[in-house]
This record gives sequence, structure tokens and C-alpha cells, in this order.
Amino acid sequence: GQNIDQPTEMTATEGAIVQINCTYQTSGFNGLFWYQQHAGEAPTFLSYNVLDGLEEKGRFSSFLSRSKGYSYLLLKELQMKDSASYLCAVQDSNYQLIWGAGTKLIIKP
Amino acid sequence: ETGVTQTPRHLVMGMTNKKSLKCEQHLGHNAMYWYKQSAKKPLELMFVYNFKEQTENNSVPSRFSPECPNSSHLFLHLHTLQPEDSALYLCASSQDGSGGAREQYFGPGTRLTVT
Repeated sequence: GQNIDQPTEMTATEGAIVQINCTYQTSGFNGLFWYQQHAGEAPTFLSYNVLDGLEEKGRFSSFLSRSKGYSYLLLKELQMKDSASYLCAVQDSNYQLIWGAGTKLIIKP
Repeated sequence: ETGVTQTPRHLVMGMTNKKSLKCEQHLGHNAMYWYKQSAKKPLELMFVYNFKEQTENNSVPSRFSPECPNSSHLFLHLHTLQPEDSALYLCASSQDGSGGAREQYFGPGTRLTVT
């Protein structure tokens, strides 16, 4: 079967760095997405990785290792507004997105 | 604002009611999606329309009936729902659903409660 695993909840301190991990087993791989979802709002696109390595976009970076079936989202200089759920999704061989259950990130002052 | 709107934002309905959810996208996309989001569970893909044609139906019960009259509009018709159907229903669109890296743009969702 297809499976995406990510931690259910994480807590971090304002100004710090946090890494949210995602491991996947899917039938085929055509890229991995990270989305942010604030409570009661729509998921919004953060990043896309299809090749191994690190993609940096401001305070957020996303890393992919296809051989390990592993990705992480790195958030630097955390702000209170970063409190949200972070969803990992893999595009399978049919280009459909397989979603993880999301990681709820709590930022404390 | 993501360019995808959904109405209503909240809906309470009895098990014998019939209601419809509406989604509209203003992005010129050709693919539209319905998802169900339940607490602490992954997003469940329900239906995919690509160029107005249904290309995916993930074993969704027949009490959910989608309609896509054109590439900008998507409906989800609901009838004789069960309490376990209570969830957030999200609509999304992408440039197309046939391949390639296509990020999806989501609407704000309809919070559905079945009593």
C-alpha cells in the first residue's frame, strides 16, 4: 500500500529552528510537496522537490532523498504565525497526490 | 485568497436532506478536485475532473455525486448522508491533472455537520 508518515505534533520556540520529517512508500514517485494549513483555512503550497537535495525559499527549506524515501521541511527564525499544520504529499506514478496526516506545529514565545 | 472559492463555508444537514456544495476557481485551471479532510487523518481524494471529464473516483459512496459543468465550476451534491460524513470538504484546482508537477490551489472548505 501507499503510506506517508510524519509526526503528529511538534513544539518549538519562537526564533528557533525546527525540522519536520516525512517518510513515504508509494507506487512510483513524481515529486513531493509541502503545504501549510492554518487552523480553519485552506492548505497553501510551500515547496516542491523532485530531485535529491535542498531547495531553499526564504526561511523555509525542503530536502529530499529519493533513495531513502525521505524528506524534511526546515523552518528557521520561527515566528508565531508559523503555528500551523504542515502537510507532506507525494505525487505517485499516476500523478495523484498521496497525503500525510499532517504535523501540527506549536510555536511558544 | 487563493483564487478558489467555496460556498457555503458551514453547513448543517439532517440525514434525509439534500444539499450541494459549490466550488469556483478563477485561475484558468483545467483540473478540479474534491477532498474530504477529517481530524488527524490524511486528506482523502474523492473526485478528480480534468477538462470537465471525471478521471478519478476513489470508491466514494453514491450519496456523494459530483458535477462539473465547466472547467471553472465544481459541485458536490449530497443526499442521505451519515454522521460519519461530517468533515471539512475541500475543493482544489491545478493547471491540469494529467501529469507534471502541478501544485494544487485550495479553497477555504465547507465544514459539514450531519445530524
